[in-house]
Amino acid sequence: SQQGEEDPQALSIQEGENATMNCSYKTSINNLQWYRQNSGRGLVHLILIRSNEREKHSGRLRVTLDTSKKSSSLLITASRAADTASYFCATVYISSGSARQLTFGSGTQLTVLP
Amino acid sequence: EAGVAQSPRYKIIEKRQSVAFWCNPISGHATLYWYQQILGQGPKLLIQFQNNGVVDDSQLPKDRFSAERLKGVDSTLKIQPAKLEDSAVYLCASSRSGQGQETQYFGPGTRLLVL
Repeated sequence: SQQGEEDPQALSIQEGENATMNCSYKTSINNLQWYRQNSGRGLVHLILIRSNEREKHSGRLRVTLDTSKKSSSLLITASRAADTASYFCATVYISSGSARQLTFGSGTQLTVLP
Repeated sequence: EAGVAQSPRYKIIEKRQSVAFWCNPISGHATLYWYQQILGQGPKLLIQFQNNGVVDDSQLPKDRFSAERLKGVDSTLKIQPAKLEDSAVYLCASSRSGQGQETQYFGPGTRLLVL
């Protein structure tokens, strides 16, 4: 299966601390994306990193990608209570056909305590 | 721009009944996706449309699930008959062209409970 796996499954931190979530996947990818899902809401795209990139920043988010280890990490700096959500990594691989499937991991539940 | 719209937001049915979900993607988006998200898991792609044609339905349980996207705009996903294990959130998403390096925009989902 192409599915990524996040680690840890759950993370609880104090407001202001940094949160790091990891994602591992199994086969070659075209890009890797991180999404956030608040309770009862749909998914929101956070950041995309291509297979030829090693690091990317967006505001308080920092994503790294190590294709040799087939892993990625998402760092949220100076966390806020509003960052409480589930975070999913999703991998995209280009098949020989035209399908380009986004395959999600099982997610990390982040709780930021005020 | 308006986001992806889905209805209903919640649905409770008994097993063996039928149910249908509706999705209206972002205007101009050629690609539409239906995902199933079981509690505690990540979303799983059920079907992907490019305009009104099916690109990938390899994970759609075709004996009970069907989907259509008439005229290449809005879409319906149907389950007939429903089973207990179909209880999940059904998410619809859309993207401009279906290329792998673009963002998918998700709707709020329809939460289905099968009793």
